[in-house]
Amino acid sequence: GQQLNQSPQSMFIQEGEDVSMNCTSSSIFNTWLWYKQDPGEGPVLLIALYKAGELTSNGRLTAQFGITRKDSFLNISASIPSDVGIYFCAGQTGANNLFFGTGTRLTVIP
Amino acid sequence: NAGVTQTPKFQVLKTGQSMTLQCAQDMNHNSMYWYRQDPGMGLRLIYYSASEGTTDKGEVPNGYNVSRLNKREFSLRLESAAPSQTSVYFCASTRSPAPPYEQYFGPGTRLTVT
Repeated sequence: GQQLNQSPQSMFIQEGEDVSMNCTSSSIFNTWLWYKQDPGEGPVLLIALYKAGELTSNGRLTAQFGITRKDSFLNISASIPSDVGIYFCAGQTGANNLFFGTGTRLTVIP
Repeated sequence: NAGVTQTPKFQVLKTGQSMTLQCAQDMNHNSMYWYRQDPGMGLRLIYYSASEGTTDKGEVPNGYNVSRLNKREFSLRLESAAPSQTSVYFCASTRSPAPPYEQYFGPGTRLTVT
């Protein structure tokens, strides 16, 4: 399958700090998706990006689709304790071809 | 509106036993998927069903079979479980075939094979 490199693997931050994580691939994708997974739950879609260069926000979350179509980043501003979880990027070439990164585990220290 | 539901939530099997994982969605989605998630790895696609009546292999199909029972339901069967199949299994669905292709996931089934 496609290889998506997600970094960092884990982060420990203070409440109120901003967070940045990114995802890179050697392959081109048509869509980038960002998911959050809480312990014992399935991934929940946070943001979807459809065009190279697109910058999209969802509350305190902002994500961008890289202009090369091989990367994407996610920023979280003013982190809060409920932001704790694992964040996954996913690149998509079509309806049935979704490839996931290995995840960034975020810990927020109150 | 429950979204994607999966049963059971937990299961322990002995090597060689069989079982079926159930998945249902109430969003009138056309496409459904089965993934497995192993520690330190992203989700990997086992099988998918692009539409009712069709199924196709994903990245890691060996040791599994699937059935698209109707538009709502998509089951995953392990005929002879092996310890390597210990994992968390997620079902997902998407509206398809036209964009957007966002996939929505169920809560998962945690399977241990001893």
